[in-house]
Amino acid sequence: QTVVTQEPSFSVSPGGTVTLTCGLSSGSVSTSYYPSWYQQTPGQAPRTLIYSTNTRSSGVPDRFSGSILGNKAALTITGAQADDESDYYCVLYMGSGILVFGTGTKVTVL
Amino acid sequence: QLQLQESGPGLVKPSETLSLTCTVSGGSISSSSYYWGWIRQPPGKGLEWIGSIYYSGSTYYNPSLKSRVTISVDTSKNQFSLKLSSVTAADTAVYYCARLALWFGEPREFDYWGQGTLVTVSS
Repeated sequence: QTVVTQEPSFSVSPGGTVTLTCGLSSGSVSTSYYPSWYQQTPGQAPRTLIYSTNTRSSGVPDRFSGSILGNKAALTITGAQADDESDYYCVLYMGSGILVFGTGTKVTVL
Repeated sequence: QLQLQESGPGLVKPSETLSLTCTVSGGSISSSSYYWGWIRQPPGKGLEWIGSIYYSGSTYYNPSLKSRVTISVDTSKNQFSLKLSSVTAADTAVYYCARLALWFGEPREFDYWGQGTLVTVSS
């Protein structure tokens, strides 16, 4: 069973930078997994931020960026704002139509 | 503006079948560029992909749920549906429908989401 791992939580100061990662229980994440990232605030549906590793979805501020760092996918928030306080989920495409969500990271801005 | 809206019973008894429908407006479910999918989130927990369907009826399912899941499409109503059989309390969750973008024939990411609907499994 494939497990996609994320840090449980992160805290960042307003205006600061934070990098969240998305890894595999076994193996490395590469662009071939087409990692995507989603933001979810409590009680709301997820919102698509990044797809295909580093492409921002329409309307997403450029303070959000995606990349591959080492053997993981990464989401960096540069210049964090109060309304970035949310849960963030990555998704990896495993091939054959199969998608796996990461465990999620709760980001606190304070 | 594309909109997706989930509908169905909010309460299902254990061992019965959960049935939900997603109605798509502002776009055609018969577009060749997209798949349509279901995702769920138990209270206080993370997101789980359930499965995806193309307008032709081609489906992909989460291997861990495959034996209990059926996803179907009704292009005449611009709707797709989820059936999950033999439910238990562990199936209590907010269920979301979403659109998936197709890249080289592969549904790799979600781009539009419904607001979600809570389904509770309880007698």
